[in-house]
Amino acid sequence: EIVLTQSPGTLSLSPGERATLSCRASQFVTSRFLAWYQQKPGQTPRLLIYGASTRATGIPDRFSGSGSGTDFTLTISRLEPEDFAVYYCLQYGGSPPWTFGQGTKVEI
Amino acid sequence: QVQVVESGGGVVQPGGSLRLSCEVSGFTFSSHGMHWVRQAPGKGLEWVAVIWFDGSKKYYADSVRGRFTISRDNSKNTLYLQMNNVRAEDTAVYYCARASGHFDYWGQGTLVTVSS
Repeated sequence: EIVLTQSPGTLSLSPGERATLSCRASQFVTSRFLAWYQQKPGQTPRLLIYGASTRATGIPDRFSGSGSGTDFTLTISRLEPEDFAVYYCLQYGGSPPWTFGQGTKVEI
Repeated sequence: QVQVVESGGGVVQPGGSLRLSCEVSGFTFSSHGMHWVRQAPGKGLEWVAVIWFDGSKKYYADSVRGRFTISRDNSKNTLYLQMNNVRAEDTAVYYCARASGHFDYWGQGTLVTVSS
């Protein structure tokens, strides 16, 4: 099983600042099969990035993903008030089980 | 547009059973694998199970294997999760999600509470 470790657990920033979130895998992630999701309280997870760096439909370009192998990063270039939420990474490559990271909370 | 709607959640006693349903529209259901994902109160996301587009393969998380069964009826555009011998730690919001490699479309979830 591939274990995903996200850091930091909580990121305290202000609107307009840059956010850098990390997701580290315990094993190589096949073909960059890594996705990022945003979740706000009481809401369904929203797909932001798949294939490590491809933005999903309708996602603003202030969100970007990078990385390969075992180290992946989600960057929010300039935080908007609506970006304060919990972010999860997901690996979906190779064999089951699919696994999520434990989440990073971006707070004001 | 794509719609994914879960139902069937509720309160169930430890050791009891419950069947969740997930009805979809707006895409060709029979062409996509489907997942169940759950989220315990105040916790993160946990993958539960997946079924291939034609039902030929099914995989489960260790935490539910032998107790939960995933199935689908492509004629009804509906995914199911049969939950047997439930435990307190199965309390969670259960989401179904379309498989496109990643999980792209999710329902709003249905809450399962295991309590006596």
